[in-house]
Amino acid sequence: AAGVIQSPRHLIKEKRETATLKCYPIPRHDTVYWYQQGPGQDPQFLISFYEKMQSDKGSIPDRFSAQQFSDYHSELNMSSLELGDSALYFCASSLEEEETQYFGPGTRLLVL
Amino acid sequence: GESVGLHLPTLSVQEGDNSIINCAYSNSASDYFIWYKQESGKGPQFIIDIRSNMDKRQGQRVTVLLNKTVKHLSLQIAATQPGDSAVYFCAENTGRRALTFGSGTRLQVQP
Repeated sequence: AAGVIQSPRHLIKEKRETATLKCYPIPRHDTVYWYQQGPGQDPQFLISFYEKMQSDKGSIPDRFSAQQFSDYHSELNMSSLELGDSALYFCASSLEEEETQYFGPGTRLLVL
Repeated sequence: GESVGLHLPTLSVQEGDNSIINCAYSNSASDYFIWYKQESGKGPQFIIDIRSNMDKRQGQRVTVLLNKTVKHLSLQIAATQPGDSAVYFCAENTGRRALTFGSGTRLQVQP
């Protein structure tokens, strides 16, 4: 079965640079969620979108923004990167009428 | 790959034994709960879920128990196998759709 696709899988940036992470949900899924997982920590919810509209917002810094496009893929844009942004970033998708979220393999971001 | 949860509580079991992983959740309004398995360098993998109107649900080799009185979840894995070694997270959904994850537990299966 098709799963959530994330790209890139690994990304190295320097402080104050920008990064864009991409997420392609499972086919027919219309809801996308972004989570951040620091070393040794549980995933923390950042933001979610349903039918291209922001549906929920968590602990996403103001330096980050995201959107969902007409094909339901989503992009997380991160600016003025800080060392503390180094983490695993997961995207998950679901059908709006269901609540089970299926996670992608993640993007590992390292900020130097 | 890099290990997830370097300082997590660890449960060590022998292959073939049953495992029980516990989780306390925080919000009494949560109505949906999920257990995820996370292997090193990978995303959380759905294992089993349960709604608040149930107290037990069984899957293949796994059982989730929900005690709403004390806000406690447990995941039971029967006949634990080396491939079950991973970090296990419980997650709760309060209806806002965003999942709140509990602290993970590392399961180590000794052959």
